[in-house]
Amino acid sequence: DQQVKQNSPSLSVQEGRISILNCDYTNSMFDYFLWYKKYPAEGPTFLISISSIKDKNEDGRFTVFLNKSAKHLSLHIVPSQPGDSAVYFCAASPRSSGSARQLTFGSGTQLTVLP
Amino acid sequence: DADVTQTPRNRITKTGKRIMLECSQTKGHDRMYWYRQDPGLGLRLIYYSFDVKDINKGEISDGYSVSRQAQAKFSLSLESAIPNQTALYFCATSDFSREGYTGELFFGEGSRLTVL
Repeated sequence: DQQVKQNSPSLSVQEGRISILNCDYTNSMFDYFLWYKKYPAEGPTFLISISSIKDKNEDGRFTVFLNKSAKHLSLHIVPSQPGDSAVYFCAASPRSSGSARQLTFGSGTQLTVLP
Repeated sequence: DADVTQTPRNRITKTGKRIMLECSQTKGHDRMYWYRQDPGLGLRLIYYSFDVKDINKGEISDGYSVSRQAQAKFSLSLESAIPNQTALYFCATSDFSREGYTGELFFGEGSRLTVL
């Protein structure tokens, strides 16, 4: 049973518009949430993260929103650019008492930004 | 040059063969990880190591083994490869102090393995 779910395998958006990528989780022990971006033939790269003590984190064009009661997070990209076309992975990490933080990844969403 | 280097980048092998994927890093990080990516399943953790003397199983360690030869080197072995181990494999590193704050991992470019 997947604890982190990205239900949309793909998303297409026009350049300049907003891209919204969604992620749901089931494990209430998760307290850190991250988004990674992956281009073809490259490894994933960290994009943005959010702690469960916040409900929003913003970094330039990228904003992540966290709704703990709904166990849902979303990544907003505004405005979307063709270079944003990539696979986006949502990931979550459980609370720990100093032991390993292990990320659980979603299955990814392929974002295509159309010029 | 990449900070996290994986070799080989592509490998085709036959069922029953032993295969080793190697990872080296120049980031000076103490923590290293091996993940596999399958379509529709995202990335799943195989093994991780917090230092040379520390090896831990991840979510899907069966059929795999690892060796942490040095702080900078972490290899993944398939003793007897089978077709369902066909996947894209990623090595990753993290800095404890930064990981504890952001959970950030630094990934290599991946090793595509095909088992016939």
